[in-house]
Order: sequence, then structure tokens, then C-alpha cells
Amino acid sequence: AQSVAQPEDQVNVAEGNPLTVKCTYSVSGNPYLFWYVQYPNRGLQFLLKYITGDNLVKGSYGFEAEFNKSQTSFHLKKPSALVSDSALYFCAVRESNAGNMLTFGGGTRLMVKP
Amino acid sequence: NAGVTQTPKFRVLKTGQSMTLLCAQDMNHEYMYWYRQDPGMGLRLIHYSVGEGTTAKGEVPDGYNVSRLKKQNFLLGLESAAPSQTSVYFCASSTMDLAPNYGYTFGSGTRLTVV
Repeated sequence: AQSVAQPEDQVNVAEGNPLTVKCTYSVSGNPYLFWYVQYPNRGLQFLLKYITGDNLVKGSYGFEAEFNKSQTSFHLKKPSALVSDSALYFCAVRESNAGNMLTFGGGTRLMVKP
Repeated sequence: NAGVTQTPKFRVLKTGQSMTLLCAQDMNHEYMYWYRQDPGMGLRLIHYSVGEGTTAKGEVPDGYNVSRLKKQNFLLGLESAAPSQTSVYFCASSTMDLAPNYGYTFGSGTRLTVV
């Protein structure tokens, strides 16, 4: 069975500092990995994904994530946080074989303070 | 480009009432999903559909029914609403699971309160 964990309910960071939101996963085969962001009273928006290829994936709004197979992690990062990055972030995973759907983590609330 | 549209956006129901949530997508996606989002619980899959005329149960299907009579629409029904169904409901759609542009597109949600 596939699963994903976001170990931090909330991450606090000062504006201008780098940020990291952690995600670890468990799948039997090769993973497809995603990050989504949810702003207040909105639906989830796609940020970036890893399917295959380069382990460093760049996405929207200056975010990036690194696929680390040995550590089964896909942490979300940004070099310099903005107050407007404050939102709820979801990591999601599925096995690459047909017939699987995304499994979402519990979400991490990012608070960027001025 | 509307993407995924959910109606209504807000609704208050009395216990025992019924209602239907509508999800419509204009991306010709094969797959559609209904999730509920509750504080501290993340997203939980209620039902999903892998094509027109097909539906399947997800993680928390009890108390809900779904139908997919047309490819672009996925309806979620509550036959007899209960306070435990107070939640924010999200619809999503995706391409088939092995498509190169695979990924979910979400609607903006329906906030349902059952009193």
C-alpha cells in the first residue's frame, strides 16, 4: 500500500528566510510525487510534480522539491519565503503502475511572518 | 478555461434533509473524485469514477452516493444528512493514470453545514 507523511503540522519562518516543508512516502514501486497548495477558502492548486528524470523539480511561485529515493523523501523548498506563501501545503504520492490514485498527506500549514 | 466547477459553494442543511453537489469539468478528463476535508484529517476520498457510467467507493463512502451519467459531470448525493457530514467537499478530475500530463485539478470546494 502507498502512504505519505508530512511530519510537521505547522512550519513557521520569517520572510526572506529559506523554507522547507517535509514529506516522506512509502510505495512498493516507483513513485509519482506531487505538491499542492491551498490558500484560505480555495481549492488545492498544483505546485509541482516528480514523475521521472531530474531529481530536482522546479515549480510555480519559485518553489522546488528534491526527490530522494534513498530517504524516500520529497521535501518542498524555497530560497526566500514571502508572506504571501502562507498557506496549507499537501504532499501526495501514487505508485506508477496503472490503477493507482493519489494518496494525500495530512497537510502542513506554512506561516511566513514579516 | 473553467477547469473544475463545483456548485453550490455554500449550503446549510437540517439533519435528515437531502441534497446533491454538482461537479463539472471541461478538460475531457476520464477520472473524477470527491473528497472531504476536515480539520486535522487532511483529504479523505469519498467516491471516485474512472469513466462515464462507472463509480467506486473510496475511503469514507458511507452516507454518500454518486453518479456519473455524463463524462463531464460527477454528482455527490447525501440522502439523509447528518451533522457528521459537516465538512468542506472538494471535487477533482484527472487524466487517465498513465497519461504523461497526469495530475489532479481541483474545484474550489463546497462548504456544507448540517445542523
